Amino acid sequence: DAGITQSPRYKITETGRQVTLMCHQTWSHSYMFWYRQDLGHGLRLIYYSAAADITDKGEVPDGYVVSRSKTENFPLTLESATRSQTSVYFCASSEVNYGYTFGSGTRLTVV
Amino acid sequence: GIQVEQSPPDLILQEGANSTLRCNFSDSVNNLQWFHQNPWGQLINLFYIPSGTKQNGRLSATTVATERYSLLYISSSQTTDSGVYFCAGRLRAGNMLTFGGGTRLMVKP
Repeated sequence: DAGITQSPRYKITETGRQVTLMCHQTWSHSYMFWYRQDLGHGLRLIYYSAAADITDKGEVPDGYVVSRSKTENFPLTLESATRSQTSVYFCASSEVNYGYTFGSGTRLTVV
Repeated sequence: GIQVEQSPPDLILQEGANSTLRCNFSDSVNNLQWFHQNPWGQLINLFYIPSGTKQNGRLSATTVATERYSLLYISSSQTTDSGVYFCAGRLRAGNMLTFGGGTRLMVKP
């Protein structure tokens, strides 16, 4: 299916565990992004990528790791999950000077 | 950094009413976009509107980049318009967007 897909849709994990959120897009967009959405903080950029093998930090990168070995995939890894990382995570893709398209989100709960 | 302020923060409308949502930026902005987050959490891109006016059905948007604001117009509102509307603009070179805090809209039947 064409578009941008995130998996899983829901995830519960324990404090200290590593967890990876997946993001896949079928348009070959250059740019991909990870945002988190929290009550009171809105949408905040975690990491972004301008192309395969090019990534950079956003506003709130601490505790997260990203990679982009292929243009279509942009996984986000929480190396050692903390309760403060409980959030809804959105992946998005875009070309330069075009609108963003968001995935459906992953609701992550860290217990 | 760039500040993005949206107003009003909350809005309740009766079905059929019109409304205007505003987005102000503290500095020059590029790549201005409007999004709708429906009650199920899905973020939908409504407009990519760095300048000028665009219309899509009952929705239209205008950006006056030189005056650092954008407006989203909703005409003949429907209950399905409920949700949160976000505007976002490019912070700096690199295509990353900074989001406003949103306008929460409820349309009553």
